[in-house]
Amino acid sequence: DAEITQSPRHKITETGRQVTLACHQTWNHNNMFWYRQDLGHGLRLIHYSYGVQDTNKGEVSDGYSVSRSNTEDLPLTLESAASSQTSVYFCASSAARGRAYEQYFGPGTRLTVT
Amino acid sequence: EDQVTQSPEALRLQEGESSSLNCSYTVSGLRGLFWYRQDPGKGPEFLFTLYSAGEEKEKERLKATLTKKESFLHITAPKPEDSATYLCAVQADQAGTALIFGKGTTLSVSS
Repeated sequence: DAEITQSPRHKITETGRQVTLACHQTWNHNNMFWYRQDLGHGLRLIHYSYGVQDTNKGEVSDGYSVSRSNTEDLPLTLESAASSQTSVYFCASSAARGRAYEQYFGPGTRLTVT
Repeated sequence: EDQVTQSPEALRLQEGESSSLNCSYTVSGLRGLFWYRQDPGKGPEFLFTLYSAGEEKEKERLKATLTKKESFLHITAPKPEDSATYLCAVQADQAGTALIFGKGTTLSVSS
């Protein structure tokens, strides 16, 4: 069955370190997304990609970057981790643009920045 | 500004006690409205997509409806396994494929 996997599932890092969260999907979807989920804020969009070599900023992109070198993967990098980036991160994917396609989510990565 | 508001924030029901969750939205042009279920420690699980006012979708004890300003998720005769957080999201015409999420309604069903 097609799925989205994220790794690691839990990560503790120190302020100032660079961290990369992995996302891999086997849906063969063109669109991929990264969200963060915090109490009181719900899910907020960080970055998204419509295909290989395409990346776009979302609502809360400061301090994060992504790159898309193939269809299956969209890693999220925190350039210099800050305590404000402690959160649960979800990756999602959906089929091509053109109509309202549902997004399918991974299991999440819980990141703690100390 | 595109916005999604869900109410109530939390809802406690007895098993078999039917109720509804509300999702109010303000968007420049609605491309689609989505309902998700999220269990603790897991990612959101897709339930329904609604595209236009008057549309309804059903799945087991859940029924989603859509008007021009809001959507309802009706839960008929809920069971304890229906306990979860239910998320509503919209896709607006000018937002590409990005979804705008509400903060969710946490449903607890006791036996």
